Amino acid sequence: DTEVTQTPKHLVMGMTNKKSLKCEQHMGHRAMYWYKQKAKKPPELMFVYSYEKLSINESVPSRFSPECPNSSLLNLHLHALQPEDSALYLCASSLDPPRVGSPLHFGNGTRLTVT
Amino acid sequence: GQQLNQSPQSMFIQEGEDVSMNCTSSSIFNTWLWYKQEPGEGPVLLIALYKAGELTSNGRLTAQFGITRKDSFLNISASIPSDVGIYFCAGPGGYDKVIFGPGTSLSVIP
Repeated sequence: DTEVTQTPKHLVMGMTNKKSLKCEQHMGHRAMYWYKQKAKKPPELMFVYSYEKLSINESVPSRFSPECPNSSLLNLHLHALQPEDSALYLCASSLDPPRVGSPLHFGNGTRLTVT
Repeated sequence: GQQLNQSPQSMFIQEGEDVSMNCTSSSIFNTWLWYKQEPGEGPVLLIALYKAGELTSNGRLTAQFGITRKDSFLNISASIPSDVGIYFCAGPGGYDKVIFGPGTSLSVIP
């Protein structure tokens, strides 16, 4: 069982909908991440939160809005998405930011379909 | 930016065979991470390497941090059907980033 929990497991939304993806970890990790993964491709970094502050935004469109309410929770708010945004969205956490070598621990992802 | 390459891209092997795959970087890394991903799941950390020349095992898996610090290797001994999946190498890609290689897809024929 993964120690990073993501909900929902599956999500179907229309292009005018607003939805949120949620991620939770109780390992005391101080960095949390959102990755996007297309089929048979590696995960692509979207956002990094370090000590609850946004430290990296990989030029992600504003229709994706991250939020870190506290050190255990990470949300990804979705609005006006496009069909090409359909993908597996993975949340990860690490004890420390990766610049000190902490490995990432992933959740099982949310499979998002935009219709 | 930094890039990782993995080879082979895919492998089809008989159950019981040993497997070798590698990962190369365009620049020096101080950490190498190996992950396995099965369908419908997130990547799972297999082995983390932190020192050039380091050789680390996890059951039937063995990984090595290359001496040049630009490559890493993963070996699986006596493969079994549950070894099927995509194996990704990963490493620090700059401040607070972890980047992933394109993956090696492993299929095991019973």
